[in-house]
Amino acid sequence: GDSVTQMEGPVTLSEEAFLTINCTYTATGYPSLFWYVQYPGEGLQLLLKATKADDKGSNKGFEATYRKETTSFHLEKGSVQVSDSAVYFCALNRDDKIIFGKGTRLHILP
Amino acid sequence: DTGVSQDPRHKITKRGQNVTFRCDPISEHNRLYWYRQTLGQGPEFLTYFQNEAQLEKSRLLSDRFSAERPKGSFSTLEIQRTEQGDSAMYLCASSFAGRAYEQYFGPGTRLTVT
Repeated sequence: GDSVTQMEGPVTLSEEAFLTINCTYTATGYPSLFWYVQYPGEGLQLLLKATKADDKGSNKGFEATYRKETTSFHLEKGSVQVSDSAVYFCALNRDDKIIFGKGTRLHILP
Repeated sequence: DTGVSQDPRHKITKRGQNVTFRCDPISEHNRLYWYRQTLGQGPEFLTYFQNEAQLEKSRLLSDRFSAERPKGSFSTLEIQRTEQGDSAMYLCASSFAGRAYEQYFGPGTRLTVT
């Protein structure tokens, strides 16, 4: 069945560092792809999405590009802030359900 | 606040007891979803409703689990004869039917079975 694999955490970076969180997927066809974020004590929030190949989703300085050749949707940010500390989930949409990866915990040090 | 709300936020129960959780979706949304998230894992789909109709249930949803959405608004998830393996965060989400990829999540109910 469909699945999402993302890099294990925790990932610890200093403020203003460059961030990449890798995500690959296995799916039939071309599902929509997402990154969700879960801040401490809060619910899951949709961070960005891409609905077809070569689309780039972006929000709050984060970007991810839908690469069908490599079945990847890596999350990037050029300069992270302490407030970006959270758990990030890569996900895909299949038959109206969302299938999530295991999540990557990100710690940003001041 | 017009987001998805869940009640209670935390529930501690003894093995064998029944528990019920409530979810209030965003009022305009006709789809409502339940997911379960265990420690260190991503959320896993349990079931979803369109209006009051339950359209799909995951194999994860054993016979001890039942969900309802009687008037197409709020939903309840009941777990009978709880087991320690039921300890998890139970998440509710809602969406428009035509935009099921854009689901809005509630804060979750954390269940601990002792």
